[in-house]
Amino acid sequence: GQQLNQSPQSMFIQEGEDVSMNCTSSSIFNTWLWYKQEPGEGPVLLIALYKAGELTSNGRLTAQFGITRKDSFLNISASIPSDVGIYFCAPSGGTSYGKLTFGQGTILTVHP
Amino acid sequence: NAGVTQTPKFQVLKTGQSMTLQCAQDMNHEYMSWYRQDPGMGLRLIHYSVGAGITDQGEVPNGYNVSRSTTEDFPLRLLSAAPSQTSVYFCASSRRPGGQPQHFGDGTRLSIL
Repeated sequence: GQQLNQSPQSMFIQEGEDVSMNCTSSSIFNTWLWYKQEPGEGPVLLIALYKAGELTSNGRLTAQFGITRKDSFLNISASIPSDVGIYFCAPSGGTSYGKLTFGQGTILTVHP
Repeated sequence: NAGVTQTPKFQVLKTGQSMTLQCAQDMNHEYMSWYRQDPGMGLRLIHYSVGAGITDQGEVPNGYNVSRSTTEDFPLRLLSAAPSQTSVYFCASSRRPGGQPQHFGDGTRLSIL
């Protein structure tokens, strides 16, 4: 089966620092989605990537769909305390058409 | 805007009991799915449906049943609860499958004693 690895598992940073996390897979995907989950809530979509090589920004967030279609990264610039949460990559397409596969998540803690 | 509504929010069961987790969406989405979330394992797909009357198994379907009699509702049934089913359960929906962003409910926290 396909393997999906998200790293790092957790990050402890100071407010104002930049953050980078990534996901790599053994399989090719047609879509990469990035979600954020806050305590007691369901995941909320941050960025959607639909094309290999695509670089997309949403405010302080930037994500890229790897050219090989097997990886993606998410960057957060100038972190703030409300960035705290769990970030998940969720690729879809290829042989897993119709289903989302979630990475293990990156737990982000921001110290004021 | 209700979006995806899950009930109940919390539930405690004894081993062997049965229950149904409810999920409803008001966005006329064709695709609905159920996930379970356990610490350090992300979200794992239990069952999904691409439309009314059509369901299929996900990654971890054992111990769970689903049905999709209407577009709006997608209940998840535990026929005989086991402690291994203690988890947080999320329902999600999207306009269609194939990588469309899914909208999630706020989850049901289930404990099996």
